[in-house]
Amino acid sequence: EAQVTQNPRYLITVTGKKLTVTCSQNMNHEYMSWYRQDPGLGLRQIYYSMNVEVTDKGDVPEGYKVSRKEKRNFPLILESPSPNQTSLYFCASSGQGRDYGYTFGSGTRLTVV
Amino acid sequence: AQSVTQPDIHITVSEGASLELRCNYSYGATPYLFWYVQSPGQGLQLLLKYFSGDTLVQGIKGFEAEFKRSQSSFNLRKPSVHWSDAAEYFCAVGASNDYKLSFGAGTTVTVRA
Repeated sequence: EAQVTQNPRYLITVTGKKLTVTCSQNMNHEYMSWYRQDPGLGLRQIYYSMNVEVTDKGDVPEGYKVSRKEKRNFPLILESPSPNQTSLYFCASSGQGRDYGYTFGSGTRLTVV
Repeated sequence: AQSVTQPDIHITVSEGASLELRCNYSYGATPYLFWYVQSPGQGLQLLLKYFSGDTLVQGIKGFEAEFKRSQSSFNLRKPSVHWSDAAEYFCAVGASNDYKLSFGAGTTVTVRA
């Protein structure tokens, strides 16, 4: 089954403790992206990647890091989480050209206390 | 920079009635336009997309959308809603050169019996 898999689904952590949210896709997509969703704000793009080793900042990149060492994986790293990063996070992947259209994972609900 | 406005935060519609959700976008070139649906506690599912050609596009679940360049709009419609259509709907605009995707704040649809 074609899918984007994120882990974990739920995470509670403390301020300053580094964490990684993993994301993997099995569709051989070139494009991958991370979004955060907050009430009343819709989804805002954190980072995106157009291919292996090619990443770029989205609208809200501060406090986040990403890497794209393999085509299928696109982890999101929070080096020093803060409470304002409490949010629902989505990873997504997309093909190119006429196949453009992001497929989303199920989401990771992160709480930073 | 691209942006999306969904003027209606919340819409209530009776089961069997028609539904129209508004979306206005801002983008300098020909946009790639999308509608996604998010059921409670779920990820986002792609309903339909527009790249070029016929301005009326058909999607899944009986939805359609019409691209109107003169009005910078991409409104979503369904002739007869079902209780299962209760969800949050997001319009998104993509750039044709870098596959960055920007979302509106969303419209919550409530279906009453």
